[in-house]
Amino acid sequence: AQTVTQSQPEMSVQEAETVTLSCTYDTSESDYYLFWYKQPPSRQMILVIRQEAYKQQNATENRFSVNFQKAAKSFSLKISDSQLGDAAMYFCAYRSSLSPANSGYALNFGKGTSLLVTP
Amino acid sequence: DGGITQSPKYLFRKEGQNVTLSCEQNLNHDAMYWYRQDPGQGLRLIYYSQIVNDFQKGDIAEGYSVSREKKESFPLTVTSAQKNPTAFYLCASRRNSGNTIYFGEGSWLTVV
Repeated sequence: AQTVTQSQPEMSVQEAETVTLSCTYDTSESDYYLFWYKQPPSRQMILVIRQEAYKQQNATENRFSVNFQKAAKSFSLKISDSQLGDAAMYFCAYRSSLSPANSGYALNFGKGTSLLVTP
Repeated sequence: DGGITQSPKYLFRKEGQNVTLSCEQNLNHDAMYWYRQDPGQGLRLIYYSQIVNDFQKGDIAEGYSVSREKKESFPLTVTSAQKNPTAFYLCASRRNSGNTIYFGEGSWLTVV
């Protein structure tokens, strides 16, 4: 089974600064997808960014980018020019195949990192 | 607007009662999911369904049941057999040809 580890329960960043959230995963698959979701106090899960494992180029979405190291099974999220609205729980997730075969996919989640943004 | 609607937002249940959480989507998505979220544990998969009239158990299905009679709907019943049902429940969906899973706004269940 695929596991996802987020080793930082809490992180803090000052407004306008840059912060990096860590994520490692374990898998024997060669083709897969990785995601970062944001969960603000409203508890809505919002997709931040997605990375396809077969792509060598790191994904970028405005102020959010990832550092995908396939050999190291590492998938960190970098938030640039942090804003107060970035304060939330951030979850790293791995798209895993379901059983039996051809049953589609689900997400395996890490335990999350709580990001605090200070003025 | 297209999206995933969960209801109720807050639900209180007495011990020994069954309760049903509703999940409706108008995105024409094929696959639907139920996740449970507890503090400090991230999200865990309860049940999933790839097509109508078919569903499979996830990692923590004990004490829960689902049905998938319509493509748009995937209700979750929390039975009295679920020993610790107090949690935040999230419904999600995905197109079978897509790689991204989208979530509803969630439902809080509290046992009193």
